[in-house]
Amino acid sequence: KQEVTQIPAALSVPEGENLVLNCSFTDSAIYNLQWFRQDPGKGLTSLLLIQSSQREQTSGRLNASLDKSSGRSTLYIAASQPGDSATYLCAVKEETSGSRLTFGEGTQLTVNP
Amino acid sequence: DGGITQSPKYLFRKEGQNVTLSCEQNLNHDAMYWYRQDPGQGLRLIYYSQIVNDFQKGDIAEGYSVSREKKESFPLTVTSAQKNPTAFYLCASSMAHRPSGYTFGSGTRLTVV
Repeated sequence: KQEVTQIPAALSVPEGENLVLNCSFTDSAIYNLQWFRQDPGKGLTSLLLIQSSQREQTSGRLNASLDKSSGRSTLYIAASQPGDSATYLCAVKEETSGSRLTFGEGTQLTVNP
Repeated sequence: DGGITQSPKYLFRKEGQNVTLSCEQNLNHDAMYWYRQDPGQGLRLIYYSQIVNDFQKGDIAEGYSVSREKKESFPLTVTSAQKNPTAFYLCASSMAHRPSGYTFGSGTRLTVV
């Protein structure tokens, strides 16, 4: 059974700092990996989608990498801002099990002004 | 704008009642999913449907039921058999082809009173 782990569970940084969030998964038979952002009491907003054949994706200050063979992904946030404060979730789409997404438990990020 | 609409935003259920959560999408996505989110447990898959008139159980289907009579709609009924229904419920959709990402709704918070 696929398991997704996110480290750290919580992170507090000063504004302007560059930071890295980590995601690992146990089964490398995935179609893609998706990073989401969730604000308190809200739904999930997709940030980046990396296909299994890709190494990284970039959107603005966000860069996500994928090493499928080692079961790891990182989300890099450059020049963090207080508005980046949220919970960040990674999820993998499995090749089996009906293309379901399996989620990590998230990293709760706080960026202090 | 295309998206997923979940309603209501907040729902209160009395003991022994069935309640139905609505999920509608206008993205022309083939597949739809229901997840439950509890603090400290991440998102868990309840049911999913890859095509109209067909659906499969996820990891925690007991006490829930779904229907998929139209491509756009995937309502979730929380029955009285669900012993601990208080949670945040999220609906998602995706294209059927494997490399596509997920789009999520804004969620429904269900509370038992």
